[in-house]
Amino acid sequence: DAKTTQPTSMDCAEGRAANLPCNHSTISGNEYVYWYRQIHSQGPQYIIHGLKNNETNEMASLIITEDRKSSTLILPHATLRDTAVYYCIVRVEGGGSNYKLTFGKGTLLTVNP
Amino acid sequence: DGGITQSPKYLFRKEGQNVTLSCEQNLNHDAMYWYRQDPGQGLRLIYYSQIVNDFQKGDIAEGYSVSREKKESFPLTVTSAQKNPTAFYLCASSPTSGRGRDEQFFGPGTRLTVL
Repeated sequence: DAKTTQPTSMDCAEGRAANLPCNHSTISGNEYVYWYRQIHSQGPQYIIHGLKNNETNEMASLIITEDRKSSTLILPHATLRDTAVYYCIVRVEGGGSNYKLTFGKGTLLTVNP
Repeated sequence: DGGITQSPKYLFRKEGQNVTLSCEQNLNHDAMYWYRQDPGQGLRLIYYSQIVNDFQKGDIAEGYSVSREKKESFPLTVTSAQKNPTAFYLCASSPTSGRGRDEQFFGPGTRLTVL
């Protein structure tokens, strides 16, 4: 799986958009970008994933650059409950032994009142 | 309610004792996983299983063992051979086909402390 690089920490004001970047310059053509988050002392939670088109769901939007070497997770209106560690992961979609996720250290997002 | 349960939430053991962490899911998922998390670190994969009676080593399997006798259950044994067993252990499951196969569902975790 391709490695990812994320900032160690970020701050965001409550109600504003939180933009979390991720670099994955060695991503392969068949690898997807996944985002999970982990609130303190809980299990991680899936947020969104995509291949090359931008994706949006009820939790967030994922913007992937045209060369796919980087992406941005956007939380449009951050709340205090969005304070968590956000993990960016790249891997192939589904399939055989590729189900496993490789987590780095992620970005600690702190949403401030 | 469907989900993954891990028990207990906190577990204390003496050094040299084996301990088994439970993980149960009623999501009808084929695949199950065990991860370990140390303070300030990301998750590291210990073992995973894609089907009953089959499992594979992850990145840090030494000192651990698993079994997968039932689809719903994937217990993890931390043996005395594991040099630094104190950690937060997370179990996850996912389907292996269909629309949801890319999302892993995590349990609440078990925090193991070896004294």
